[in-house]
Amino acid sequence: DSGVTQTPKHLITATGQRVTLRCSPRSGDLSVYWYQQSLDQGLQFLIQYYNGEERAKGNILERFSAQQFPDLHSELNLSSLELGDSALYFCASSAGTDNQPQHFGDGTRLSIL
Amino acid sequence: DQQVKQNSPSLSVQEGRISILNCDYTNSMFDYFLWYKKYPAEGPTFLISISSIKDKNEDGRFTVFLNKSAKHLSLHIVPSQPGDSAVYFCAASVAGSARQLTFGSGTQLTVLP
Repeated sequence: DSGVTQTPKHLITATGQRVTLRCSPRSGDLSVYWYQQSLDQGLQFLIQYYNGEERAKGNILERFSAQQFPDLHSELNLSSLELGDSALYFCASSAGTDNQPQHFGDGTRLSIL
Repeated sequence: DQQVKQNSPSLSVQEGRISILNCDYTNSMFDYFLWYKKYPAEGPTFLISISSIKDKNEDGRFTVFLNKSAKHLSLHIVPSQPGDSAVYFCAASVAGSARQLTFGSGTQLTVLP
């Protein structure tokens, strides 16, 4: 058990809809990262937050947004969903200091019908 | 352009023997490297890491070697056990980049009893 909790585990929805994925980091971790794993792309970095502030953006679409709340949990919002958004979405957390590993949750599997 | 490459999609070894998983990278700015293990329906689990100031790091049965001049790292598992059967990802990050991880495509390790 990594200590990182993601909900829901599975999400099935239709094109054009909007969903919210939730992540609770490990106790004490200030940094939260979001990654997308699709069949043909592998694990790709989306966005990072540190103590409530956005730190870095990767290959994140404009239809996607995220935030980190004062209690340090994070949400990833995906809107105007397309078939190609079907993927596993992982959240990871770390202490945020240098050379500290990221610990991953078990992911949310999003299926767009 | 894949900055982190795992050229072997799969590897099979006999129980008790050594498993060697390889990873190559192209970005000379990478200075922190990690190995993760992933079972189906679970998130990646952190195994071991190495900073670019070292060339070797050990943790129990796992040893990571880094050859900076060749831009190559490897993970040795000795002795291999059936429970080690999983997909192994190498990942790398750049100092000052908020430590977002760039992942390889993974190697499926199968340890045969």
